[in-house]
Amino acid sequence: DGGITQSPKYLFRKEGQNVTLSCEQNLNHDAMYWYRQDPGQGLRLIYYSQIVNDFQKGDIAEGYSVSREKKESFPLTVTSAQKNPTAFYLCASSMTSGETQYFGPGTRLLVL
Amino acid sequence: EDQVTQSPEALRLQEGESSSLNCSYTVSGLRGLFWYRQDPGKGPEFLFTLYSAGEEKEKERLKATLTKKESFLHITAPKPEDSATYLCAVQAPGSRGSTLGRLYFGRGTQLTVWP
Repeated sequence: DGGITQSPKYLFRKEGQNVTLSCEQNLNHDAMYWYRQDPGQGLRLIYYSQIVNDFQKGDIAEGYSVSREKKESFPLTVTSAQKNPTAFYLCASSMTSGETQYFGPGTRLLVL
Repeated sequence: EDQVTQSPEALRLQEGESSSLNCSYTVSGLRGLFWYRQDPGKGPEFLFTLYSAGEEKEKERLKATLTKKESFLHITAPKPEDSATYLCAVQAPGSRGSTLGRLYFGRGTQLTVWP
């Protein structure tokens, strides 16, 4: 089955800790995206990557970092600089940057 | 300033009671308008893409339409399993040579259908 997987489903972060959210796709898509979803707000773009070894900041990149070393994988690190990390994080991919985006199941990040 | 506004924020319907959800947008040079369905605690599920005014698409009890400034998602004779949050997103042209047509999302309409 082709699709997008995100892990873990729930993640707990302690003060001052960096945590990494995993996103993997087997759709052979070139473009991948990370969004943050907060209650009552629309999805906000954190980072995107149009091709391997290239990525750009979205609207709310501060406190986050990404890498794109493989076509299938686009991990997101939430650093200690992100002061309000509690949110639902969604990874998406599309064939190219202008095509329909398909979403993974999401990771909920909570702060201890 | 929101690029995409969805209304109403919440809608409660009795099973079989048809209605429409609205998505209005201010993006210039629209490349596409997307509708997604999102169940609680899950990722959005793609429903439709519309590209030009006058275009319509249907899937089961759902029908999406597009004008120059807004889109409607019509729900005919809804069932309880149609309960979800419906998200609208618009795709703007890429800027400065970028091919990225980024998406702007609305805040969603939470639909509840009761038996």
